[in-house]
Amino acid sequence: ENVLTQSPGTLSLSPGERATLSCRASQSVSSSYLAWYQQKPGQAPRLLIHGASSRATGIPDRFSGSGSGTDFTLTISRLEPEDFAVYYCQQYGNSPQTFGQGTKVEIK
Amino acid sequence: QVQLVQSGAEVKKPGASVKVSCKASGYTFTGFYMHWVRQAPGQGLEWMGWVNPNNGGTNYAQKFQGWVTMTSDTSITTAYMELNRLTSDDTAMYYCATGGRGSSWPDYFDYWGQGTLVTVSS
Repeated sequence: ENVLTQSPGTLSLSPGERATLSCRASQSVSSSYLAWYQQKPGQAPRLLIHGASSRATGIPDRFSGSGSGTDFTLTISRLEPEDFAVYYCQQYGNSPQTFGQGTKVEIK
Repeated sequence: QVQLVQSGAEVKKPGASVKVSCKASGYTFTGFYMHWVRQAPGQGLEWMGWVNPNNGGTNYAQKFQGWVTMTSDTSITTAYMELNRLTSDDTAMYYCATGGRGSSWPDYFDYWGQGTLVTVSS
């Protein structure tokens, strides 16, 4: 299966700063079928990005996704207080679909 | 609007079975696979499988084959996930989620239920 490795494990930043999260796949992700989710404590995951760079409905434009092949990035241009959470990447280009282990974005 | 409402928390003894329901509304139930994803306490996300409400077809992750059963009832737009022979390792939050591309696989997950906590304890 296609193993996804997210880095860093924890990102400590202040509101207003830029966050850059990485997701690296062990095999090329077919058709850039890579999604990103946000999860806050006690809540279900929320879809942010699919197709590597397409924002889901209602997602603010401070969230952007990029990348192809084996390297993908989620960027939050200016962190808002509500953005501090855990972020997961998921590839659905290869069966079975797989998730990364998550990156926690915490307040510095 | 799309809503997935799951059944309430469960406490089970080792060796028992649990059946979690997911009531769907706001979209064409038969047009989208229903997936199940679980999350152990403090851990990441683990895909378990899907059921196709259109024809009852299923696809389970290899790890769960033989001890999970996913079904659906189109008359009440509800999907079910039953897990057998529970152990403490099955203590987790269980989520249902719709596939973003409808009836494609693999897929991303665009709408999620609120989760059902299953606790396995003697």
